[in-house]
Amino acid sequence: QKEVEQNSGPLSVPEGAIASLNCTYSDRGSQSFFWYRQYSGKSPELIMFIYSNGDKEDGRFTAQLNKASQYVSLLIRDSQPSDSATYLCAAGGSWGKLQFGAGTQVVVTP
Amino acid sequence: AAGVIQSPRHLIKEKRETATLKCYPIPRHDTVYWYQQGPGQDPQFLISFYEKMQSDKGSIPDRFSAQQFSDYHSELNMSSLELGDSALYFCASSFGTSGSPNTDTQYFGPGTRLTVL
Repeated sequence: QKEVEQNSGPLSVPEGAIASLNCTYSDRGSQSFFWYRQYSGKSPELIMFIYSNGDKEDGRFTAQLNKASQYVSLLIRDSQPSDSATYLCAAGGSWGKLQFGAGTQVVVTP
Repeated sequence: AAGVIQSPRHLIKEKRETATLKCYPIPRHDTVYWYQQGPGQDPQFLISFYEKMQSDKGSIPDRFSAQQFSDYHSELNMSSLELGDSALYFCASSFGTSGSPNTDTQYFGPGTRLTVL
């Protein structure tokens, strides 16, 4: 079992709607959590990070962290076709090593 | 803004050959991480360096070695290449390993696509 779990999808979202992505982690020692977006054949691109319980908003993106439930989520508001990609959830460990989930594929349909 | 630079971007090798991948971190970043991403898989951590010293080691085969130089660039050396080594290899850099994501956030380079025939 992976330390970071995500639904692989694909998650189909109509253009303009909200995409909701979920992630759970098993290592309670993880302190920081990252969401990366990855287009096919390209490198992971940082969307945002979160390390405190609660919500963090950045533009159309909102990350949520619940350490008691070991749960991280990402909301994408007003989804655009350009948001179609794989979204990787990662937990930061000791010395900064990232443990990635398998990624959730998001498909935004016009 | 300057990003992580990786070279070469594409590399084709035969089995049992050697390969060297290079990574130039974002200016002022002192920590480098190497990840391997196979087809349809998530990135797997290989090894990291902080201030030119190895800071952590993951699932890196003994056939692979890496180092970070005085100018903070890093090289991943791969020997006795196998077909299963075909993958995307990403380098990421960050500023420090203080445990604070404000400084430890990793930024990824464009990757090197290695194909072993």
